[in-house]
Amino acid sequence: AQKVTQAQTEISVVEKEDVTLDCVYETRDTTYYLFWYKQPPSGELVFLIRRNSFDEQNEISGRYSWNFQKSTSSFNFTITASQVVDSAVYFCALSDPIYNQGGKLIFGQGTELSVKP
Amino acid sequence: ETGVTQTPRHLVMGMTNKKSLKCEQHLGHNAMYWYKQSAKKPLELMFVYSLEERVENNSVPSRFSPECPNSSHLFLHLHTLQPEDSALYLCASTDGTDTEAFFGQGTRLTVV
Repeated sequence: AQKVTQAQTEISVVEKEDVTLDCVYETRDTTYYLFWYKQPPSGELVFLIRRNSFDEQNEISGRYSWNFQKSTSSFNFTITASQVVDSAVYFCALSDPIYNQGGKLIFGQGTELSVKP
Repeated sequence: ETGVTQTPRHLVMGMTNKKSLKCEQHLGHNAMYWYKQSAKKPLELMFVYSLEERVENNSVPSRFSPECPNSSHLFLHLHTLQPEDSALYLCASTDGTDTEAFFGQGTRLTVV
């Protein structure tokens, strides 16, 4: 069965600190997608990144970077020089391979990040 | 309007009421989803519609009844709910292929 674990329930940092959000997943499938979403207080989930299981290249987008390691089934997310606007709940998710549709997702519990000025 | 829009944003209903949640997407997508987000729990997939046909129902109680009249609209009809059904209900859409889902802002439902 597929499962996503985000062991960190809450993280609190001071502005400009770097912070890493951990994500560990379980799946027996060889083809799958991993996602990160951000949920600000307004409620909607904002897409951040999608990673194909065959592409282990790390990715950087501005202050955001992602480290995908298939050997440890991890897909960690780092925010460099955090800002107050980064405060939100962050979800890691795994796509259900049966339909291979981007909307059928297995979510982790989420990590609530609080960035204090 | 753009993206995925959900109405109402907040809803308080009694256990004997009947109400409906509405979701509308303006992205030209052909698959839509209902998710439930309860406190202290991961988001749970409830229903999947692809090309207006229900392709999945994740063991959701019959007091939740989805309807997808066309590819742009999705409803969730609610009746005789329980207090434990109080949650944030999120709608999402995709174009049916291997792309990311776009989510609405959700409806915060409180059952009293």
